[in-house]
Amino acid sequence: QSALTQPPSASGSPGQSVTISCTGTSSDVGGYNFVSWYQQHPDKAPKLIIYGVTKRPSGVPDRFSGSKSGNTASLTVSGLQAEDEADYYCSSYGGSDNFVVFGGGTKVTVL
Amino acid sequence: QLQLQESGPGLVKPSETLSLSCTVSGASINSNENCWVWIRQSPGKGLEWIGSVRSGGRTYYNPSLKSRVTTSIDTPRNQFSLNLRSVTAADTAVYFCARLAVATREIDSWGQGTLVSVSS
Repeated sequence: QSALTQPPSASGSPGQSVTISCTGTSSDVGGYNFVSWYQQHPDKAPKLIIYGVTKRPSGVPDRFSGSKSGNTASLTVSGLQAEDEADYYCSSYGGSDNFVVFGGGTKVTVL
Repeated sequence: QLQLQESGPGLVKPSETLSLSCTVSGASINSNENCWVWIRQSPGKGLEWIGSVRSGGRTYYNPSLKSRVTTSIDTPRNQFSLNLRSVTAADTAVYFCARLAVATREIDSWGQGTLVSVSS
């Protein structure tokens, strides 16, 4: 069982928005501003799209945004495009005993 | 530009040791800014952190795998490695090596991944 809880699936039509939640505890998501989000297309390595809860690496479209409230982080994809169909994973620092904790992943489908 | 490349056997027998290396180019393996990470993904499943190693040999392991895992750095080769002992079929997965930025804790560079199957 994953340390962080994500919904297994989410969907939206092109142009719509979809929000994915990531629930942890005060020992990980709630305790640090070190939440990251990764996008993974089939048979590819994951790609960093959000770090530090809200920051976007260079080259990531501003359609991707992150937030956090308490022990739950969220990723919002606005203006859905066909290429956004992928698996999305959240991750958090969880202290030295849980240096990296992942969510179980959410499959986003563009209808 | 940072690049990481996994190498090692694609098939390991049950009860034996899975050994992988990751060659880093474009960054120093000994930089204090970097932490080197192993992550795996079983077929059709999610990502699982295995362990991390930093310069100076400091290591961090997933509690569920800690008793079987060792990670280390090979400075002359600019590589880091993973040893996973006493493997079973449940250890069959794509294994990724990656870099985690120490200051901000995100994994910003990934290798392409290598499939390791455990079978007799």
